[in-house]
Amino acid sequence: DSGVTQTPKHLITATGQRVTLRCSPRSGDLSVYWYQQSLDQGLQFLIQYYNGEERAKGNILERFSAQQFPDLHSELNLSSLELGDSALYFCASSLSIGGRGETQYFGPGTRLLVL
Amino acid sequence: DQQVKQNSPSLSVQEGRISILNCDYTNSMFDYFLWYKKYPAEGPTFLISISSIKDKNEDGRFTVFLNKSAKHLSLHIVPSQPGDSAVYFCAWTGPGGFKTIFGAGTRLFVKA
Repeated sequence: DSGVTQTPKHLITATGQRVTLRCSPRSGDLSVYWYQQSLDQGLQFLIQYYNGEERAKGNILERFSAQQFPDLHSELNLSSLELGDSALYFCASSLSIGGRGETQYFGPGTRLLVL
Repeated sequence: DQQVKQNSPSLSVQEGRISILNCDYTNSMFDYFLWYKKYPAEGPTFLISISSIKDKNEDGRFTVFLNKSAKHLSLHIVPSQPGDSAVYFCAWTGPGGFKTIFGAGTRLFVKA
């Protein structure tokens, strides 16, 4: 158990809808990262928050947004969903600002299916 | 832009033999490379890392080799065990750690 929790585990929704994925980092970790893993693809980095502030942005669509709250949990909001958004969404956390080989601890993921 | 390529989608190895997983990258500027292991229905877990100033790092049965001139790194597992069967991801962390780029992964099968 990495100590990172993600809810829900599974989510089935329809095209055009909006969903919110939630992540609670390990106790004491200040950074939260979001990744998307589509079928047979590697993990695509979406966004990183450090202590409530956006720190790095990857290939995140404009329809997607995220935030990190004062208690350090994070939410990833996906709107106007398309079939291609079906994927595993992982949250990870790290102790500090990241980089320098800092280990990221991953949650079990949320599997999103858009029908 | 940085690319991290794991060109072998899968690898099958006999228990007790060496497993070699490969990773190629395009951008010479980097901070660290990390290897993560992923079992089905779980998130990736950190395995081993190597910094840009080293060419080898070892941790028990796991050794990572870095060849900067070839822009290539490899993960060696000796001896391989059935419990090592998983997907292995190579991950690049750029200078300042502003981004982590993962390869597509290699699925390792270790046969008993």
